[in-house]
Amino acid sequence: GAGVSQSPSNKVTEKGKDVELRCDPISGHTALYWYRQSLGQGLEFLIYFQGNSAPDKSGLPSDRFSAERTGGSVSTLTIQRTQQEDSAVYLCASTIGGGGKTDTQYFGPGTRLTVL
Amino acid sequence: KNQVEQSPQSLIILEGKNCTLQCNYTVSPFSNLRWYKQDTGRGPVSLTIMTFSENTKSNGRYTATLDADTKQSSLHITASQLSDSASYICVVSAGFSGGYNKLIFGAGTRLAVHP
Repeated sequence: GAGVSQSPSNKVTEKGKDVELRCDPISGHTALYWYRQSLGQGLEFLIYFQGNSAPDKSGLPSDRFSAERTGGSVSTLTIQRTQQEDSAVYLCASTIGGGGKTDTQYFGPGTRLTVL
Repeated sequence: KNQVEQSPQSLIILEGKNCTLQCNYTVSPFSNLRWYKQDTGRGPVSLTIMTFSENTKSNGRYTATLDADTKQSSLHITASQLSDSASYICVVSAGFSGGYNKLIFGAGTRLAVHP
């Protein structure tokens, strides 16, 4: 694909429901990141995948959040029992991987999650 | 605590004018500093990346500067265009470990260019 794609673009859910957000990275990119962008705040790192290595989950805010990456490509971020404070834009980014300290992250358009 | 602070929070300028956005950071260890442009409803797009040894980098009408001693960076936009209206995000890498950059994001400066 031409760039990183994410779906859905918008998601409105009720408190307590589970949601799944999807990210399709750029073809050939081995590294994938999830971030959360709350209103008026900087992006917050959630999780990092690199190839077949164990993901770095250090940014996940609670055990209600989980992510997986199947076949080294598509990734899904799952939020269980959503809370109103989970409302934010969830951004996915990919890099070619192994690019070193100045590798460029390419971001998707994000999924805007609203928890009522 | 690693922090990236940007100023001003928002800015309005007239088309054709220049402007400078500021970024101060307290991030350690420091690996590199990036500026991103984020259009409304879109993901951030990289403008420049500077390492410790670089003090200026240009990308078209965008010029970023870095003073690693004072831990300050600026993004200068020349001859602004309506399409420059966006949020500009300063991002500092707190080291490269585990195979990736630990990025600390500023909250951004929202720029509006008016005709």
